[in-house]
Amino acid sequence: EVQLVESGGGLVQPGGSLRLSCAASGFTFSSYSMNWVRQAPGKGLEWVSYISSSSSTIYYADSVKGRFTISRDNAKNSLYLQMNSLRAEDTAVYYCARDAWEYCTGGVCWGGVLDYWGQGTLVTVSS
Amino acid sequence: DIQMTQSPSSLSASVGDRVTITCQASQDISNYLNWYQQKPGKAPKLLIYDASNLETGVPSRFSGSGSGTDFTFTISSLQPEDIATYYCQQYDNLPLMYTFGQGTKLEIK
Repeated sequence: EVQLVESGGGLVQPGGSLRLSCAASGFTFSSYSMNWVRQAPGKGLEWVSYISSSSSTIYYADSVKGRFTISRDNAKNSLYLQMNSLRAEDTAVYYCARDAWEYCTGGVCWGGVLDYWGQGTLVTVSS
Repeated sequence: DIQMTQSPSSLSASVGDRVTITCQASQDISNYLNWYQQKPGKAPKLLIYDASNLETGVPSRFSGSGSGTDFTFTISSLQPEDIATYYCQQYDNLPLMYTFGQGTKLEIK
């Protein structure tokens, strides 16, 4: 059974940092691209970042570019999101989500379908 | 960037009704369109991928259609357990970007 379990959320002051983790099990983690998607309280879904299976391709939403860093450790079956310079508008539940497939060509990879999601971890940015 | 316009934002229907939600892209996205269901306090669940393909294990009363800029999601006979918020999502290849619709909150009348 595919399982994704996020951790690391909590209360942080504006300008602070936080590192989220996502522990994966039930599938060959090193074969799949992964993503972070967030949802502000009472709002819709917003994609945050993508990382290919080998970490060769990484993308960010404009809203977090330069502040957030996605990474993964395939030996530990884990996905991470380092969040710096946090703002009130970053307050959200953060989900990790697996991409159902990965296409790579010319050294660039992409996915498109998020087939499994974790239960999320809440990040609150407030003084 | 491609924008997704989902409608309606909320919908009230009776058990057994046929329910339709639409999603319109600001430019041609071929069939790169997925649909998700999110129940309160839960993570989203994939229902339909690439516009019309039913995800394994999803009841056949759910369906999707469309290509290009206009897409439709249908529940053929609404069940009480279908109460949720539904999101469309498109993906751009290069650079990769996922964009969600605003969501449709479905309630029982």
